[in-house]
Amino acid sequence: DQQVKQNSPSLSVQEGRISILNCDYTNSMFDYFLWYKKYPAEGPTFLISISSIKDKNEDGRFTVFLNKSAKHLSLHIVPSQPGDSAVYFCAASAPWAGGTSYGKLTFGQGTILTVHP
Amino acid sequence: DADVTQTPRNRITKTGKRIMLECSQTKGHDRMYWYRQDPGLGLRLIYYSFDVKDINKGEISDGYSVSRQAQAKFSLSLESAIPNQTALYFCATSDLGSGMEETQYFGPGTRLLVL
Repeated sequence: DQQVKQNSPSLSVQEGRISILNCDYTNSMFDYFLWYKKYPAEGPTFLISISSIKDKNEDGRFTVFLNKSAKHLSLHIVPSQPGDSAVYFCAASAPWAGGTSYGKLTFGQGTILTVHP
Repeated sequence: DADVTQTPRNRITKTGKRIMLECSQTKGHDRMYWYRQDPGLGLRLIYYSFDVKDINKGEISDGYSVSRQAQAKFSLSLESAIPNQTALYFCATSDLGSGMEETQYFGPGTRLLVL
């Protein structure tokens, strides 16, 4: 049962345009969401996150939007640059039963973003 | 120097062999994790450890074992490797002290091929 889904395996965008990567989840207990970027032969690197108490978080060219009612989040990259070409994973976590600590992440399948010059 | 290192980076082994993948971190984090990545499936959690005395199974622990030798070291073993364990393996760390909303930091990965 895939609790976090990235339904687009790949996305191709022109340099300077907006890239929008989407992620859907099914577990209503998830309340913290992260995006990771992965280059070939490297480990995933943290990009941006959002807590369920917010609906938007912005960091430079990267903005994450959360729609809790639709159980949907998206990552916007504006403007897109060729160096943004990578695999992007969304991930979600939920509080431990009865506790406040997080840690276990559930990942989506990843979306390959290609930004053309 | 990298905060999270993994050795080896690449490994080819034969079915039935025992192999160990090692992870070291200099971030001072208490929590460490092992994931595997397969095409089209994202990253899946194998084992995790919240401190040296705490080891827990993840969603796909069958066929694997781990050892937390110290706060900074977390090893993953395949007791008898099989071809469907061919995958990319990642170690990650996070800080227990941050409590809510932890972020995990990943090593560069080990590419394992089981023939």
